[in-house]
Amino acid sequence: DAKTTQPPSMDCAEGRAANLPCNHSTISGNEYVYWYRQIHSQGPQYIIHGLKNNETNEMASLIITEDRKSSTLILPHATLRDTAVYYCIVRVYGQNFVFGPGTRLSVLP
Amino acid sequence: DAGVIQSPRHEVTEMGQEVTLRCKPISGHDYLFWYRQTMMRGLELLIYFNNNVPIDDSGMPEDRFSAKMPNASFSTLKIQPSEPRDSAVYFCASSFAGQMNTEAFFGQGTRLTVV
Repeated sequence: DAKTTQPPSMDCAEGRAANLPCNHSTISGNEYVYWYRQIHSQGPQYIIHGLKNNETNEMASLIITEDRKSSTLILPHATLRDTAVYYCIVRVYGQNFVFGPGTRLSVLP
Repeated sequence: DAGVIQSPRHEVTEMGQEVTLRCKPISGHDYLFWYRQTMMRGLELLIYFNNNVPIDDSGMPEDRFSAKMPNASFSTLKIQPSEPRDSAVYFCASSFAGQMNTEAFFGQGTRLTVV
């Protein structure tokens, strides 16, 4: 079973920041937080991951709370092509990736 | 690298027939995962390998499903005999267990329809 809780859906206006929350209250010290997204009928695409520090790459930023029980994925300037299902996953090194239902993000023009 | 390559992209077969799905992981990766995705159940892990050895096959639905990884550059998922409820998109993914907790890269999937 997935160890994360995400809202089932969210809307965001094009050009605005999309902030996607994830709760992982039972996360253990050696579990990383990963974010993937899946655009309709394509394979899941890696976005970003982190352990306890905030992370940023060319796609997004990941903000992890100090107690590590929740995190937020930030897409700074959402475009229509960011419409997808976003998955938050916690994973220990060497284990598999367990996907929950994710958040369906709709970017609106 | 061309990424994870799966074949075929689409497969339509009749109930009772054998189906073989193929996956070529990214060169140098030592983990390989097989997932199945349906509307009802979402993305489910079927099995994963490390260095060609199956680590966890608890997600394989039943004996009709089998997976092999004869070498580091090739894996197959076989369904024999196939049933309509096996209709789904099957994804293969690979990752490298280096010093960092690295991500998995997914293929484009095989859409299987069993009629």
